[in-house]
Amino acid sequence: GAVVSQHPSWVICKSGTSVKIECRSLDFQATTMFWYRQFPKQSLMLMATSNEGSKATYEQGVEKDKFLINHASLTLSTLTVTSAHPEDSSFYICSARDAGEAYEQYFGPGTRLTVT
Amino acid sequence: GQQLNQSPQSMFIQEGEDVSMNCTSSSIFNTWLWYKQDPGEGPVLLIALYKAGELTSNGRLTAQFGITRKDSFLNISASIPSDVGIYFCAGETSGSRLTFGEGTQLTVNP
Repeated sequence: GAVVSQHPSWVICKSGTSVKIECRSLDFQATTMFWYRQFPKQSLMLMATSNEGSKATYEQGVEKDKFLINHASLTLSTLTVTSAHPEDSSFYICSARDAGEAYEQYFGPGTRLTVT
Repeated sequence: GQQLNQSPQSMFIQEGEDVSMNCTSSSIFNTWLWYKQDPGEGPVLLIALYKAGELTSNGRLTAQFGITRKDSFLNISASIPSDVGIYFCAGETSGSRLTFGEGTQLTVNP
């Protein structure tokens, strides 16, 4: 089946630094990838839609200058949390839509970010 | 924005019992999806529903897409310990954007 990976699986960084999270579709091409954030005991909240070769579309309330998204190829999207603060600590999950299938999105295993 | 109301928030059942959870929305969705999430992992798709009124089964799981396209339910029959986890409904709108429900935490006692 389709597999989506994320790297790193967890990261601890100091306040004020930037962190990059990678999302890769391993065995399919993804024209569209999505980034979600999930706080403890809460649901997944869509942050942005990432389209290969174009600018990401951010959901209302998500700062595009703080959460930089790059989708440079059909198998890789990156999320960079810039000038991270403790309130950015969360579980970040990506999903990828198979370009060859009409509907299904495949989710990555998530990245746990802790900002100290 | 769009919101999905999912209930119940949590369930504690005995192994072998049937489970039912549902989601409602004030908005219409093109597709309803049900996911299961284990701790520290991403959600895994259980069932996808594409047409209003559609009833779909996947093993012990059965889900229906409400005729008004504003609701869906998920049933799990003969629960087993590995059914433990958080179950999320999600509605899909244009551009494959997903809105997730608040989740149902399922605990199965052996």
